[in-house]
Amino acid sequence: GQQVMQIPQYQHVQEGEDFTTYCNSSTTLSNIQWYKQRPGGHPVFLIQLVKSGEVKKQKRLTFQFGEAKKNSSLHITATQTTDVGTYFCAGYTGNQFYFGTGTSLTVIP
Amino acid sequence: DSGVTQTPKHLITATGQRVTLRCSPRSGDLSVYWYQQSLDQGLQFLIQYYNGEERAKGNILERFSAQQFPDLHSELNLSSLELGDSALYFCASSRGGGTGELFFGEGSRLTVL
Repeated sequence: GQQVMQIPQYQHVQEGEDFTTYCNSSTTLSNIQWYKQRPGGHPVFLIQLVKSGEVKKQKRLTFQFGEAKKNSSLHITATQTTDVGTYFCAGYTGNQFYFGTGTSLTVIP
Repeated sequence: DSGVTQTPKHLITATGQRVTLRCSPRSGDLSVYWYQQSLDQGLQFLIQYYNGEERAKGNILERFSAQQFPDLHSELNLSSLELGDSALYFCASSRGGGTGELFFGEGSRLTVL
């Protein structure tokens, strides 16, 4: 069945270091979304990518959608303590969203 | 505040019991989604309703059922509860029935003892 895998599962970084999480789908996606869930909170939408090879930036965050529309990445430059949380990708195919397993980011001050 | 309201926020019950979780979507949103999040787990899609009709079904157990009412609020019914059903249940809503942004509620934390 359809799966969306995300790596790494956990990442600890020193404040100021960069961070990247990767998302891979077993099938081609119509689009991919990214969400952030703060500890004890609920997922909050960050961005949606639709086009093959698309790259979008939000301040220190850079999102990419692969050429084959089967993978995506989120890169955070110069992490801050406010970046702490779990980042989920959600790929849309077959009339539903498939959420990745998430990457839990810890930022050490 | 996402505009999605879930009740109750917390629920403690015993094995074998039945509970109902309620979700009110954002004003104007026609789709409601239910997700289950267990400890250190991702978001498991359960079911989606669009304008009162079931739109997509995920890994929802037969002991679970859901519906969306004419006023667009939704209820998730969990019966014959087991310890493993303890989880955070999120409701999300979106404007249409397709691929738009999901707005999540704060979740209902269910503990089965």
